[in-house]
Amino acid sequence: DVKVTQSSRYLVKRTGEKVFLECVQDMDHENMFWYRQDPGLGLRLIYFSYDVKMKEKGDIPEGYSVSREKKERFSLILESASTNQTSMYLCASSFTDRNQPQHFGDGTRLSIL
Amino acid sequence: KNEVEQSPQNLTAQEGEFITINCSYSVGISALHWLQQHPGGGIVSLFMLSSGKKKHGRLIATINIQEKHSSLHITASHPRDSAVYICAPLGNQFYFGTGTSLTVIP
Repeated sequence: DVKVTQSSRYLVKRTGEKVFLECVQDMDHENMFWYRQDPGLGLRLIYFSYDVKMKEKGDIPEGYSVSREKKERFSLILESASTNQTSMYLCASSFTDRNQPQHFGDGTRLSIL
Repeated sequence: KNEVEQSPQNLTAQEGEFITINCSYSVGISALHWLQQHPGGGIVSLFMLSSGKKKHGRLIATINIQEKHSSLHITASHPRDSAVYICAPLGNQFYFGTGTSLTVIP
């Protein structure tokens, strides 16, 4: 079974802090994704990566950056956390074949105070 | 922009009922993903389909590419089916519906 592991289920940080969310997958997937999920808005793509050190902006990249130094690990960074970044963050991974499903982690519920 | 519309947004059913969740989309796609999200957040892939119908246990998914419509059916619903069901058509990216929240009452 594919395993996508996010480092924290719940996280509380303060405004202005630099926040790191980590995601690791064990299936040698080329593609990795970061989404945020907010009530009434569904899943929105922040960034994705199709290879090591490669990244592409999604629909809402502002205020975020990502890092992919190893194939299995994709990190989301909130450079200076703000209260409007309080949300559920979900990581996903998939093979390059675009008709393959994405596999999701359990999510990190992040609160910025 | 609303590339994906799901209906209904909320659904309450009695145990044993047949359930249908609908998904309409406006973009050209190569496949469509149905996802299940339980309280607490984790998302599980149910189906990925590009034509016709797929069945897995009590779950059936259908898609009509020409009409840009897909349905997810649950036969003999059970309280453990209570979850949010998300439709995700795959065009040049995954698009996501806002989900249908299903509650099955014993």
